Amino acid sequence: ETGVTQSPTHLIKTRGQQVTLRCSSQSGHNTVSWYQQALGQGPQFIFQYYREEENGRGNFPPRFSGLQFPNYSSELNVNALELDDSALYLCASTYQAGPGGLTTDTQYFGPGTRLTVL
Amino acid sequence: GEDVEQSLFLSVREGDSSVINCTYTDSSSTYLYWYKQEPGAGLQLLTYIFSNMDMKQDQRLTVLLNKKDKHLSLRIADTQTGDSAIYFCAALMNRDDKIIFGKGTRLHILP
Repeated sequence: ETGVTQSPTHLIKTRGQQVTLRCSSQSGHNTVSWYQQALGQGPQFIFQYYREEENGRGNFPPRFSGLQFPNYSSELNVNALELDDSALYLCASTYQAGPGGLTTDTQYFGPGTRLTVL
Repeated sequence: GEDVEQSLFLSVREGDSSVINCTYTDSSSTYLYWYKQEPGAGLQLLTYIFSNMDMKQDQRLTVLLNKKDKHLSLRIADTQTGDSAIYFCAALMNRDDKIIFGKGTRLHILP
C-alpha cells in the first residue's frame, strides 16, 4: 500500500469524448507526476505538478492537461480522445524541497486507471 | 536521445539468481531506478543507485552500475515465486527531472 489512490479503476470511453482521471496523493506530498503506460510498454511521462503548477511536460499534446489541488488531489484531463489513448494511467506522488528536486525522493505510485477508448 | 533499453523476458528456476540488464543512453542521468510491477498493481520502487556508485546491495537485491558503458543490472538472489513480475529500469534525466522508463523485463519463475 503506497497511500496513493486513483479513480476510477477502469473506464470505457468513445473516440472524441473527454475524460477526467483522479489521483489522491499521500498527505504532505507536494508533487504529482502522471504517466501513460500502453500495453507492453514502460510508463511514459506526461507531466508533473509541483505546488499546483505544471513543472515539466513530456511529449504529449495540449489535449492532455492537469490540475493539482491544495488537498493533495490531482486530475488528468484528456480531451478529444483517440484510440491510441487507451492505456493504464498512473499517478505518482512525492515530496520535493524545490521544483527541481526530484532525485531519490521516492515516487509512490497509485494502482492506475485503465482507460479503454472505443 | 533519451532511451532506456532492457530485454523483454527472462526465465529463471526457483532458487537461482536472476540478472536483469538495462542500458541507457543519456550520460547525464544522475539516478537510476529499478521498479517492480505485479499484475493489476502500480509500480513499486525496489531500489535506486546514484551515478557515482558502482554497486548497491539491499538484502537479496544487488545493483551494478557501469557508468562508462551506461549499463545497469539488477541481481535477485535466491529467486522466489513471489518475484514473478515485470521489472522496469528507469533513469532520471538531470536536465528536466523527467524519469524515462524501459519497456520492462518480464521475469518468469520456473519450478
